[in-house]
Amino acid sequence: QVQLQESGPGLVKPSETLSLTCTVSGGSISSYYWGWIRQPPGKGLEWIGYIYYSGSTNYNPSLKSRATISVDTSKNQFSLKLSSVTAADTAVYYCARRDGGYWGQGTLVTVSS
Amino acid sequence: EIVLTQSPVTLSLSPGERATLSCRASQSVSSYLAWYQQKPGQAPRLLIYDASNRATGIPARFSGSGSGTDFTLTISSLEPGDFALYYCQQRSNWPFTFGPGTKVDIK
Repeated sequence: QVQLQESGPGLVKPSETLSLTCTVSGGSISSYYWGWIRQPPGKGLEWIGYIYYSGSTNYNPSLKSRATISVDTSKNQFSLKLSSVTAADTAVYYCARRDGGYWGQGTLVTVSS
Repeated sequence: EIVLTQSPVTLSLSPGERATLSCRASQSVSSYLAWYQQKPGQAPRLLIYDASNRATGIPARFSGSGSGTDFTLTISSLEPGDFALYYCQQRSNWPFTFGPGTKVDIK
């Protein structure tokens, strides 16, 4: 059974870069698209972007080029970097397969000094 | 960006009753519409993909219909575990977008 697990700091200072990694287990990262979705506390869901195992990416224009997603097929992982964060970036961050069939449990990232 | 509108905001029903949730898109998404269930503290769970296909392991009481701009999720007979938040999501155009959700709670 495919499982996804997010990892990374739960607290990031304003103006710094948020970094998260998603580890895929129980299956290969190859031949699929993988993405990041976030959900501010008590609010709805927003796609951040996605990556194909080959490395091609697509990002939500609302992030104004602050997001970068990368993949490491040797480790069966993909990662998110979000630069110049503000309090508005405080959210639960989920990694997921783009077709929605598999999601990580989510990790809360708080932006605060 | 395609905007999804869901109605009603809240649906108050009793176990055993039928639930009908609506999702409307600001432009056609063909059949590229999915439904998710989310419970507090949990990740969304895929119920329906491509408007009418049940995801793996989803009970037959969940069904989806529609195409173009109007879609419906029907839960034929609510069970206690079905009281949750439901989101629709389109994958026709990037960025993929979610609706604001419908909360199904116990009457």
